[in-house]
Amino acid sequence: QSILTQPPSVSAAPGQKVTISCSGSSSNIGKNSVSWYQQLPGTAPKLLIYENNKRPSGIPDRFSGSKSGTSATLGITGLQTGDEADYYCGTWESSLSEGGDVLFGGGTKLTVL
Amino acid sequence: QVQLVESGGGVVQSGKSLRLSCAASGFIFSKYGIHWVRQAPGKGLEWVALIWYDGNKKYYADSVEGRFTISRDNSKNTVYLQMNSLRAEDTAVYYCARWGYPTSPPPDFWGQGTLVAVSS
Repeated sequence: QSILTQPPSVSAAPGQKVTISCSGSSSNIGKNSVSWYQQLPGTAPKLLIYENNKRPSGIPDRFSGSKSGTSATLGITGLQTGDEADYYCGTWESSLSEGGDVLFGGGTKLTVL
Repeated sequence: QVQLVESGGGVVQSGKSLRLSCAASGFIFSKYGIHWVRQAPGKGLEWVALIWYDGNKKYYADSVEGRFTISRDNSKNTVYLQMNSLRAEDTAVYYCARWGYPTSPPPDFWGQGTLVAVSS
């Protein structure tokens, strides 16, 4: 059972928009920024969003992130079949372990119908 | 380009030990912290350990504290994960991943992973 809660699955049609939520608490998302990852089948996770809403170089602007209070949201517009993957949110627990205590959500499987 | 390559995985009996390696290239290794993150078959991601850029600080998940040890050799651009007293529940793909953004500990680049299977 993950400390960060994500819906197990979401689905939408090609070309549509989908959002994936990530719910935490005041000691993690409430204090720290959120990252989002895409994991295509059989591959390593890939960073899509960091510090709530920033995209690394090479990530298309179809992917966006936001945070409010103790929750965060990943948005994907213009869905493509290649976006079918598992998506994970990540943050860290505010504690004495500087940089440690990284948390991940349980993951959300995106199906593009 | 940034590359992280894990090695050392395999099948091991419960109670035995294994050492994983993570070889880095394409960036100034000595300036970055490195995480180990694992993923059990069909499950989500679980953070395992972190070592700071200079090796002076190390942190562990409760599930591996006292059994696993993270270390690094900056002269070899390599991070290690020594895993002792292995249990069936340690079976997973183990990824090493870079702490890329100073104010954001979750990883940016990930290796391809190495599979550890613990048999009982």
